[in-house]
Order: sequence, then C-alpha cells, then structure tokens
Amino acid sequence: SAVISQKPSRDICQRGTSLTIQCQVDSQVTMMFWYRQQPGQSLTLIATANQGSEATYESGFVIDKFPISRPNLTFSTLTVSNMSPEDSSIYLCSVVRPQGFQETQYFGPGTRLLVL
Amino acid sequence: GQQLNQSPQSMFIQEGEDVSMNCTSSSIFNTWLWYKQDPGEGPVLLIALYKAGELTSNGRLTAQFGITRKDSFLNISASIPSDVGIYFCAGQGGATNKLIFGTGTLLAVQP
Repeated sequence: SAVISQKPSRDICQRGTSLTIQCQVDSQVTMMFWYRQQPGQSLTLIATANQGSEATYESGFVIDKFPISRPNLTFSTLTVSNMSPEDSSIYLCSVVRPQGFQETQYFGPGTRLLVL
Repeated sequence: GQQLNQSPQSMFIQEGEDVSMNCTSSSIFNTWLWYKQDPGEGPVLLIALYKAGELTSNGRLTAQFGITRKDSFLNISASIPSDVGIYFCAGQGGATNKLIFGTGTLLAVQP
C-alpha cells in the first residue's frame, strides 16, 4: 500500500478566498491524482498531477479554479481558488503503486473543506 | 463525470447477516477495485481484481470480476458493527485507463 498524508485535514473558509491543499507520499510515485467528493456523493476526478508539466484536467475542471503543482515524485498541491459554498467538499489525493505485477490506486485521508 | 451503477444504494442489516452488493457498467473494464470509506476518512482499498472471472477473498470479504468484464460483486459474510461505512466499486480500463467510481452503497449494521 501507500502512506499518503494530506494537509490540512479540514478547514472552514470564507467565500472569495483560496486554500492550498498539500499531498505527501512516503515514496516516489509516477501517477498522482486529485479527486473531489461532494457531500453524499461519489468521487470525481479533478485532474492528473504531472511531474514537471501542467496538470491534465477533466471535463468541468479548469486550471484557473484548481491550479495544481507537482514539483517532484512525492509531493503535490491543489489550490481551490476564489471559493464559493459550492466548493464545500472532500478533496482527496490519490496515487498509483505497484501491487505484484499490477498497479493499484490508493487514496489519502482527504481534506474536508467548508466554504461559508 | 461517468459513474458505474452500484446497488443497493443502502442496506440496513443485523449483525451476523451476510451482505451482497454489485456494480454494473456499459463499458468493459480491465480492473475492478472495491473500497470502503469510513466517516471522515478517505477510501481504503479492500480488494483488487485484475482478470475476468477472478474470485478473491480478504477475510470475510469476497469479490468477483464478472466474466463479461462489465460487472463485479462484493460479499461480506457474518457482518459486524465495524463493517459500517460506504462501499465503492471502481472500474479501470478503456482508452483513458482512468478509475471510474460507483455511486456507493451505505451499509449500516445493527448490533
């Protein structure tokens, strides 16, 4: 498995402000992702965090709203910009690690964001 | 985004009962994963399936990768109170190879 930590674990923010979430992995990984889980919903992929290049965003998510950094193979940040109450969600970092001859995806503990 | 059809949406059972939940897709997947999410936590991987027809157990949990590669089920035997949580299936495959999540099954176990 993978040891993934996220900071902060939770936050309450005012609308119009921005929050940067950090994800740290215990060893180098090639693939890192950011997901959003809205209240009572399943997980939705925001973007793939690419090391050394711009993140790859899914439909409905844009870089101006969710800028992502990936300075190395163990760390990434996701910023939620110009927040509104609709951004209240759990934001989850995820990585792919080898499991035997296959690869498996693991998730961090999540960052719970409430926007007032 | 795209989601898998997962059922049932919720289950309320007595301790000791067996539980079964499943996921179906219109697309073929190469990998099926089952996760459990406790309140206030991130999803934790329970079982990973990589081959059509594969049947894998993890303690009281058993999961199967459907022969058609479009479905998977998860069984929990002799449920206990700590089985409470939300269970998600996830499929991976196709051109993008991205992980697609099911809608989740909320499990409540009454002691």
